[in-house]
Amino acid sequence: QVQLQESGPGLVKPSETLSLTCTVPGGAINSYYWSWIRQSPGKGLEWFGHLYYTGTINYNPSLKSRVTISLDASKNQLSLNLRSVSAADTAVYYCARGSSGYFSGWGQGTLVTVSS
Amino acid sequence: EIVLTQSPGTLSLSPGERATLSCRASQSVGSIYLAWYQQKPGQAPRLLIYGASNRATGIPDRFSGSGSGTDFTLTISGLEPEDFAVYYCQQYGNSPRTFGQGTKVEIK
Repeated sequence: QVQLQESGPGLVKPSETLSLTCTVPGGAINSYYWSWIRQSPGKGLEWFGHLYYTGTINYNPSLKSRVTISLDASKNQLSLNLRSVSAADTAVYYCARGSSGYFSGWGQGTLVTVSS
Repeated sequence: EIVLTQSPGTLSLSPGERATLSCRASQSVGSIYLAWYQQKPGQAPRLLIYGASNRATGIPDRFSGSGSGTDFTLTISGLEPEDFAVYYCQQYGNSPRTFGQGTKVEIK
Protein backbone atom coordinates (compact mmCIF):
# COMPACT_ATOMS: atom_id res chain seq x y z
CA GLN A 1 0.00 0.00 0.00
CA VAL A 2 1.41 3.40 -0.96
CA GLN A 3 2.39 5.55 2.01
CA LEU A 4 1.10 9.08 1.62
CA GLN A 5 1.06 11.47 4.56
CA GLU A 6 -0.83 14.75 4.70
CA SER A 7 0.22 17.49 7.09
CA GLY A 8 -0.85 21.00 7.93
CA PRO A 9 -2.82 23.06 10.43
CA GLY A 10 -6.02 21.56 11.73
CA LEU A 11 -7.63 24.97 12.25
CA VAL A 12 -7.82 27.83 9.78
CA LYS A 13 -9.61 31.16 10.20
CA PRO A 14 -12.28 32.28 7.75
CA SER A 15 -10.97 34.27 4.76
CA GLU A 16 -7.44 32.92 5.25
CA THR A 17 -5.52 30.42 3.13
CA LEU A 18 -5.52 26.71 3.89
CA SER A 19 -2.14 25.14 3.13
CA LEU A 20 -1.45 21.42 3.21
CA THR A 21 1.44 19.23 2.15
CA CYS A 22 1.61 15.55 1.27
CA THR A 23 4.78 13.51 1.42
CA VAL A 24 5.06 11.08 -1.46
CA PRO A 25 7.30 7.99 -1.46
CA GLY A 26 10.63 8.68 -3.08
CA GLY A 27 10.85 7.51 -6.66
CA ALA A 28 7.08 7.44 -7.20
CA ILE A 29 6.52 11.06 -7.94
CA ASN A 30 7.39 10.81 -11.62
CA SER A 31 5.09 7.92 -12.32
CA TYR A 32 1.61 9.07 -11.38
CA TYR A 33 -0.90 11.88 -11.31
CA TRP A 34 -1.24 13.44 -7.86
CA SER A 35 -4.54 14.75 -6.59
CA TRP A 36 -6.19 16.43 -3.65
CA ILE A 37 -9.64 15.26 -2.61
CA ARG A 38 -11.75 16.32 0.33
CA GLN A 39 -14.67 14.78 2.13
CA SER A 40 -17.33 16.58 4.10
CA PRO A 41 -20.76 15.52 5.33
CA GLY A 42 -22.42 18.15 3.17
CA LYS A 43 -20.60 17.68 -0.13
CA GLY A 44 -19.30 14.13 0.05
CA LEU A 45 -16.09 13.42 -1.86
CA GLU A 46 -14.88 16.36 -3.94
CA TRP A 47 -11.89 16.33 -6.29
CA PHE A 48 -9.75 19.47 -6.42
CA GLY A 49 -7.59 18.58 -9.36
CA HIS A 50 -4.49 16.68 -10.32
CA LEU A 51 -0.92 17.43 -11.26
CA TYR A 52 1.58 15.42 -13.26
CA TYR A 53 5.31 15.80 -12.63
CA THR A 54 5.74 17.40 -16.05
CA GLY A 55 3.70 20.35 -14.80
CA THR A 56 0.41 19.43 -16.42
CA ILE A 57 -2.41 20.49 -14.10
CA ASN A 58 -6.15 19.98 -14.32
CA TYR A 59 -8.35 21.76 -11.79
CA ASN A 60 -11.98 21.26 -10.85
CA PRO A 61 -13.70 24.34 -12.37
CA SER A 62 -15.84 24.80 -9.27
CA LEU A 63 -12.73 25.36 -7.14
CA LYS A 64 -10.23 26.60 -9.70
CA SER A 65 -10.42 30.28 -8.72
CA ARG A 66 -9.26 29.52 -5.17
CA VAL A 67 -6.91 26.55 -5.58
CA THR A 68 -3.25 26.03 -6.32
CA ILE A 69 -1.74 22.55 -6.48
CA SER A 70 2.02 22.26 -6.78
CA LEU A 71 4.76 19.66 -6.63
CA ASP A 72 8.28 19.87 -5.23
CA ALA A 73 9.99 16.80 -6.65
CA SER A 74 13.21 17.51 -4.74
CA LYS A 75 11.31 17.15 -1.48
CA ASN A 76 8.83 14.53 -2.70
CA GLN A 77 6.04 16.87 -1.62
CA LEU A 78 2.66 17.72 -3.07
CA SER A 79 1.03 20.92 -1.85
CA LEU A 80 -2.46 22.40 -1.74
CA ASN A 81 -3.34 26.05 -1.20
CA LEU A 82 -7.00 26.96 -0.87
CA ARG A 83 -7.66 30.69 -0.58
CA SER A 84 -10.47 32.63 1.08
CA VAL A 85 -11.78 29.71 3.09
CA SER A 86 -15.13 29.61 4.83
CA ALA A 87 -16.90 27.15 7.10
CA ALA A 88 -18.00 25.27 3.98
CA ASP A 89 -14.35 24.26 3.48
CA THR A 90 -14.28 22.30 6.73
CA ALA A 91 -13.53 18.73 5.68
CA VAL A 92 -11.10 15.85 5.77
CA TYR A 93 -8.48 16.49 3.10
CA TYR A 94 -6.75 13.61 1.30
CA CYS A 95 -3.89 13.45 -1.13
CA ALA A 96 -4.19 10.61 -3.60
CA ARG A 97 -2.18 8.86 -6.27
CA GLY A 98 -3.92 8.70 -9.58
CA SER A 99 -3.65 6.24 -12.43
CA SER A 100 -5.59 7.06 -15.57
CA GLY A 101 -8.14 8.98 -13.53
CA TYR A 102 -8.94 6.63 -10.67
CA PHE A 103 -7.20 6.76 -7.29
CA SER A 104 -5.06 3.78 -6.41
CA GLY A 105 -3.55 5.13 -3.21
CA TRP A 106 -4.74 7.55 -0.57
CA GLY A 107 -3.23 9.27 2.42
CA GLN A 108 -4.84 8.79 5.80
CA GLY A 109 -6.48 12.21 5.56
CA THR A 110 -6.24 15.29 7.73
CA LEU A 111 -9.18 17.14 9.26
CA VAL A 112 -9.21 20.86 8.65
CA THR A 113 -11.72 23.02 10.50
CA VAL A 114 -12.45 26.58 9.41
CA SER A 115 -13.45 28.64 12.39
CA SER A 116 -12.57 31.89 14.09
CA GLU B 1 -20.12 17.91 -14.57
CA ILE B 2 -21.29 14.30 -14.45
CA VAL B 3 -23.52 13.53 -11.47
CA LEU B 4 -23.38 10.00 -10.10
CA THR B 5 -26.42 8.71 -8.21
CA GLN B 6 -25.98 5.63 -6.06
CA SER B 7 -28.78 3.41 -4.86
CA PRO B 8 -29.91 2.32 -2.44
CA GLY B 9 -28.66 4.74 0.18
CA THR B 10 -28.47 1.94 2.73
CA LEU B 11 -28.48 -1.80 2.23
CA SER B 12 -29.24 -3.98 5.26
CA LEU B 13 -28.00 -7.53 4.76
CA SER B 14 -26.71 -10.49 6.73
CA PRO B 15 -23.25 -12.02 6.39
CA GLY B 16 -23.17 -14.47 3.51
CA GLU B 17 -25.82 -12.64 1.52
CA ARG B 18 -25.27 -11.07 -1.87
CA ALA B 19 -25.05 -7.29 -2.15
CA THR B 20 -25.93 -5.43 -5.33
CA LEU B 21 -25.09 -1.74 -5.47
CA SER B 22 -26.06 0.59 -8.30
CA CYS B 23 -24.39 3.69 -9.71
CA ARG B 24 -26.12 5.73 -12.40
CA ALA B 25 -24.46 8.59 -14.28
CA SER B 26 -26.19 11.71 -15.58
CA GLN B 27 -24.46 11.14 -18.92
CA SER B 28 -22.26 8.46 -20.40
CA VAL B 29 -18.86 8.03 -18.75
CA GLY B 30 -17.69 5.73 -21.51
CA SER B 31 -17.56 2.00 -21.32
CA ILE B 32 -14.85 1.65 -18.72
CA TYR B 33 -14.19 4.88 -16.85
CA LEU B 34 -15.82 3.93 -13.58
CA ALA B 35 -14.22 2.97 -10.27
CA TRP B 36 -15.55 1.69 -6.96
CA TYR B 37 -14.14 2.34 -3.49
CA GLN B 38 -14.78 0.98 -0.02
CA GLN B 39 -14.54 3.20 3.03
CA LYS B 40 -14.61 2.17 6.67
CA PRO B 41 -15.03 4.61 9.57
CA GLY B 42 -11.95 6.69 10.20
CA GLN B 43 -10.19 5.39 7.09
CA ALA B 44 -9.54 6.68 3.63
CA PRO B 45 -11.38 5.14 0.69
CA ARG B 46 -9.76 2.04 -0.77
CA LEU B 47 -9.85 1.23 -4.46
CA LEU B 48 -11.80 -1.94 -5.22
CA ILE B 49 -12.61 -1.81 -8.93
CA TYR B 50 -11.35 0.25 -11.86
CA GLY B 51 -12.29 0.18 -15.51
CA ALA B 52 -15.80 -0.82 -14.42
CA SER B 53 -14.84 -4.47 -13.90
CA ASN B 54 -11.15 -4.84 -13.01
CA ARG B 55 -10.33 -5.72 -9.42
CA ALA B 56 -7.53 -3.73 -7.85
CA THR B 57 -4.52 -5.50 -6.40
CA GLY B 58 -5.40 -7.65 -3.41
CA ILE B 59 -9.17 -7.34 -3.74
CA PRO B 60 -11.00 -10.66 -3.18
CA ASP B 61 -12.91 -12.14 -6.10
CA ARG B 62 -16.22 -11.88 -4.24
CA PHE B 63 -16.15 -8.25 -5.42
CA SER B 64 -17.14 -7.76 -9.03
CA GLY B 65 -18.11 -4.80 -11.17
CA SER B 66 -20.13 -4.54 -14.33
CA GLY B 67 -21.87 -2.04 -16.57
CA SER B 68 -21.09 0.59 -19.15
CA GLY B 69 -22.30 3.96 -20.36
CA THR B 70 -24.54 5.29 -17.58
CA ASP B 71 -25.40 2.21 -15.50
CA PHE B 72 -22.92 0.34 -13.35
CA THR B 73 -23.16 -2.30 -10.63
CA LEU B 74 -20.93 -3.48 -7.83
CA THR B 75 -21.72 -6.98 -6.59
CA ILE B 76 -20.40 -8.60 -3.44
CA SER B 77 -21.16 -12.29 -3.88
CA GLY B 78 -21.17 -13.28 -0.21
CA LEU B 79 -20.76 -10.66 2.47
CA GLU B 80 -17.93 -11.15 4.93
CA PRO B 81 -17.97 -9.28 8.27
CA GLU B 82 -15.24 -6.94 7.02
CA ASP B 83 -17.34 -5.91 3.98
CA PHE B 84 -19.81 -3.84 5.99
CA ALA B 85 -18.79 -0.33 5.01
CA VAL B 86 -19.68 2.55 2.70
CA TYR B 87 -19.10 2.14 -1.03
CA TYR B 88 -18.56 4.95 -3.54
CA CYS B 89 -18.47 5.01 -7.30
CA GLN B 90 -16.31 7.51 -9.19
CA GLN B 91 -16.20 8.42 -12.85
CA TYR B 92 -13.07 9.45 -14.71
CA GLY B 93 -14.39 9.65 -18.24
CA ASN B 94 -14.84 13.39 -17.92
CA SER B 95 -13.32 16.21 -15.95
CA PRO B 96 -13.97 17.05 -13.21
CA ARG B 97 -13.71 13.62 -11.63
CA THR B 98 -16.84 13.07 -9.58
CA PHE B 99 -18.04 10.65 -6.94
CA GLY B 100 -21.40 9.24 -6.00
CA GLN B 101 -22.87 9.99 -2.59
CA GLY B 102 -22.27 6.47 -1.33
CA THR B 103 -24.16 3.32 -0.35
CA LYS B 104 -23.85 2.09 3.20
CA VAL B 105 -23.90 -1.68 3.57
CA GLU B 106 -24.92 -2.45 7.13
CA ILE B 107 -25.49 -5.60 9.13
CA LYS B 108 -29.12 -6.61 9.29
